[in-house]
Amino acid sequence: DAKTTQPPSMDCAEGRAANLPCNHSTISGNEYVYWYRQIHSQGPQYIIHGLKNNETNEMASLIITEDRKSSTLILPHATLRDTAVYYCIVRGSNTGNQFYFGTGTSLTVIP
Amino acid sequence: NAGVMQNPRHLVRRRGQEARLRCSPMKGHSHVYWYRQLPEEGLKFMVYLQKENIIDESGMPKERFSAEFPKEGPSILRIQQVVRGDSAAYFCASSPVGQGGTGELFFGEGSRLTVL
Repeated sequence: DAKTTQPPSMDCAEGRAANLPCNHSTISGNEYVYWYRQIHSQGPQYIIHGLKNNETNEMASLIITEDRKSSTLILPHATLRDTAVYYCIVRGSNTGNQFYFGTGTSLTVIP
Repeated sequence: NAGVMQNPRHLVRRRGQEARLRCSPMKGHSHVYWYRQLPEEGLKFMVYLQKENIIDESGMPKERFSAEFPKEGPSILRIQQVVRGDSAAYFCASSPVGQGGTGELFFGEGSRLTVL
């Protein structure tokens, strides 16, 4: 599985959009980009995933660059409850591929 | 539809004792994954199981750790002769499809093991 690089921490003002970047320059053609978050010490929560097209759901939007070497998770209107560690994971759809979590980005939403 | 259930939520053991952690996947899910999270670190994959089969145990320590997912009942992660370094949060996740799919994992709230 491709490795990902994320900034260790970010701050965002409450009500503003939070844009969390992720680099995955060695991603291969069949690998998807997944985002999870972990609030305090709870179990990780799935947010969104995509292959090459931009994706949007009720939680967030995922923007993947055309060359697929990087992506951005967007929380459109961050709230205090969005304070969490956000993990960007690249995973193939073939048998034998696992979800490998890195150290993620610790997002703090500031009132 | 109940989520992934893990128990106990907190477990305290003395060095040398055994720890058993249980995980009941979501209804309809037959794929279970165990992860370990040491304090202030990210989640580390340990093992992936289907009913009655271990599919991938590449992240499992070679000694003292074992996992099973019987035909009936929850998946169990067993740690024998625990040491202080085993103190961690152990998370279980389940999915309705296996590694060949693109579906997401659903995580439980974790079991926190403290070894005295």
